[in-house]
Amino acid sequence: KAGVTQTPRYLIKTRGQQVTLSCSPISGHRSVSWYQQTPGQGLQFLFEYFSETQRNKGNFPGRFSGRQFSNSRSEMNVSTLELGDSALYLCASSPRNQEADTQYFGPGTRLTVL
Amino acid sequence: AQKITQTQPGMFVQEKEAVTLDCTYDTSDPSYGLFWYKQPSSGEMIFLIYQGSYDQQNATEGRYSLNFQKARKSANLVISASQLGDSAMYFCASSGGGADGLTFGKGTHLIIQP
Repeated sequence: KAGVTQTPRYLIKTRGQQVTLSCSPISGHRSVSWYQQTPGQGLQFLFEYFSETQRNKGNFPGRFSGRQFSNSRSEMNVSTLELGDSALYLCASSPRNQEADTQYFGPGTRLTVL
Repeated sequence: AQKITQTQPGMFVQEKEAVTLDCTYDTSDPSYGLFWYKQPSSGEMIFLIYQGSYDQQNATEGRYSLNFQKARKSANLVISASQLGDSAMYFCASSGGGADGLTFGKGTHLIIQP
C-alpha cells in the first residue's frame, strides 16, 4: 500500500504571498490531519478533515485553512505569508474508526518564507 | 489539555546497547492513546508503536517496546540492540483526552555511536 504523499516537498515564498500544500492519504483512510513543525514551537496540530468536513482545529489564525475532497485528498492554504510561517508542514492520515487510530505521516513540505 | 514531557533533549548510546527514552504524560481523561514516532533528518515521521490506556500488556513491535506505567503516567520507549540507523529524533505523542489531534513532546535526539 502506498504511503501518505505530500507535494511539493520544498517551497520558497515571499512575505505576503499565499501557498497551497497538497496531501494524498493512504488508500482507504478518510481522515487527514495537518501539523506544523518549527524549532521553537515543536509539532503543533493545525486541523483535521474527515469526510470532507473539518472535524477539529488547532490554535492557528484564520490565514490557515484547508479542505478535503471526496477522494480524501486534502489541501491546506496559508494566505498572507509571514516569516514565522516558515516550517515543516506534515500531513497525516488515519482510518479514523476510533479516536486512538494511529496517524501515518507523509514526508512533509518544507516551506521557507523570505 | 494534554501535555507530554520528554526530559532528555539528547542521548548518546553505543551501538548494540539497549536504549530507554523517557516520556511522561498528563491527562485526567481515562481514555487515551500513546504513540512513539521516529523522525530521521529527512523529516518524515515514522510510526513505531502504540499503547492504549486500557491495554493490560505493554506493547511490543520488533526491537521496540513500550514500558507503560499508568500510575506514574509514564510511557517510556525501549529500543533493544540499538543500530546506527536508529539515530534520529524520537517523539512521544498522545491522543484522546479531549485534545484535538496528537499532542507531541519536544522530542529526544538519539545518536548511536559505533
